[in-house]
This record gives sequence, C-alpha cells and structure tokens, in this order.
Amino acid sequence: GALVYQYPRRTICKSGTSMRMECQAVGFQATSVAWYRQSPQKTFELIALSTVNSAIKYEQNFTQEKFPISHPNLSFSSMTVLNAYLEDRGLYLCGARRVTNSDYTFGSGTRLLVI
Amino acid sequence: TQTVSQSDAHVTVFEGDSVELRCNYSYGGSIYLSWYIQHHGHGLQFLLKYYSGNPVVQGVNGFEAEFSKSDSSFHLRKASVHWSDSAVYFCAVSDTGNYKYVFGAGTRLKVIA
Repeated sequence: GALVYQYPRRTICKSGTSMRMECQAVGFQATSVAWYRQSPQKTFELIALSTVNSAIKYEQNFTQEKFPISHPNLSFSSMTVLNAYLEDRGLYLCGARRVTNSDYTFGSGTRLLVI
Repeated sequence: TQTVSQSDAHVTVFEGDSVELRCNYSYGGSIYLSWYIQHHGHGLQFLLKYYSGNPVVQGVNGFEAEFSKSDSSFHLRKASVHWSDSAVYFCAVSDTGNYKYVFGAGTRLKVIA
C-alpha cells in the first residue's frame, strides 16, 4: 500500500534555531508533495506545494526563506523551519500524491515544540 | 478561491447514535471533496472522497457522505457511532487543477460510551 513516513515524530528546538523534517513516500512515486502546518487548536494551513519538474509554490504568509523545501526525487521531501519561534510550533504534515490519484496520502506529522 | 465551512466546532453523541457532521464549501470550478479524521496527537487519516457520479459515497468504518451541488454541501454521516470514533473530522476541498487542499476548521466529535 501507499504510505508516507515523517520523521521525527516529535521534536523540540530552542527559539531562534532551525529544525529539519523529512517526508518519505513508500510504495508509490510522489509527483506532488504538500506541506501543511496545524497550529495549536487550528486547522491545516498549506505552506507550499512541490511538484516534480515545477517550481515549489509557497502560499501567502509562507516563504522559501523561512521554510526551504527540498524535493530531490519521487520518494523524498524535506522541509526546514529556519529561525523557529513560538508561533512556528504545531504539527507539520506532509502529504504526497501520485499523478494518477487525486488523493493525498498524509504522514503522521512532525510535532514541533519551540522553547 | 475555495472556502470550506464546518459549522459545528463540537458535536457530542452517545454510542450507538447516528451523527451528521456538516460541511459546506464555496467554489465554482471542478473540485474534489474529501473527509479526513485526526485522532488525538496523530496526523490525518483518509475517510472518503467525492469527485463525480453517485453523490453518496461510502468510506471506511461505516462512514458515508453525500454531495449536494444545490446546497454546496458534503455532509458526513454515520448510522451508529462507536466510542472509538471520537476524533476531529476535517472536510477538505481540492481544485482538480492544482490539487491544493483547503481544509475546514474541523469538527470535534465526542462519543460517550
């Protein structure tokens, strides 16, 4: 089956430092990868959408300078939260989609705590 | 721009009761509609989706949803809930062109045993 693994599951970083999180698609080729953030008590906000052979598209309020994303192949993507502060805490979710399927398969997320 | 509205932030029912979680959307183009479940401390689990055809779609664990173009709705239903159905449920709209999912605010379902 199609699975998406995210690691680490949980992480703590000091305010002002950076944190890299990874997303691995298993059992399928992820032509599109979407990164979302769920802040405490809120819904999921799209950070950026990465499609193979296309530029990564960031949503309003999110920038490459703050959330650089790498999507080097069809099974792996990573995102870094640079210079993390309290407002960056939350659950970061990776969703991967194959070209023939409309559904995203989501990972379990990386929960970021900033202290 | 798509918008998704889940009017009920919290729903509480007893085990064995039926439940309907409401979702209304706003978008004029071609879209996918989906429901996801998030158990406490976890990511999103896919429940079901609609794109075309039969407006009533069946999902996992006895859930179903009905699409209504006239009402711009995609409400989720279950005939008899179990305590393990307690979770937050998210409705999502995705444009078929860019596959950008827009999620509703979520509805927290609490099932009392």
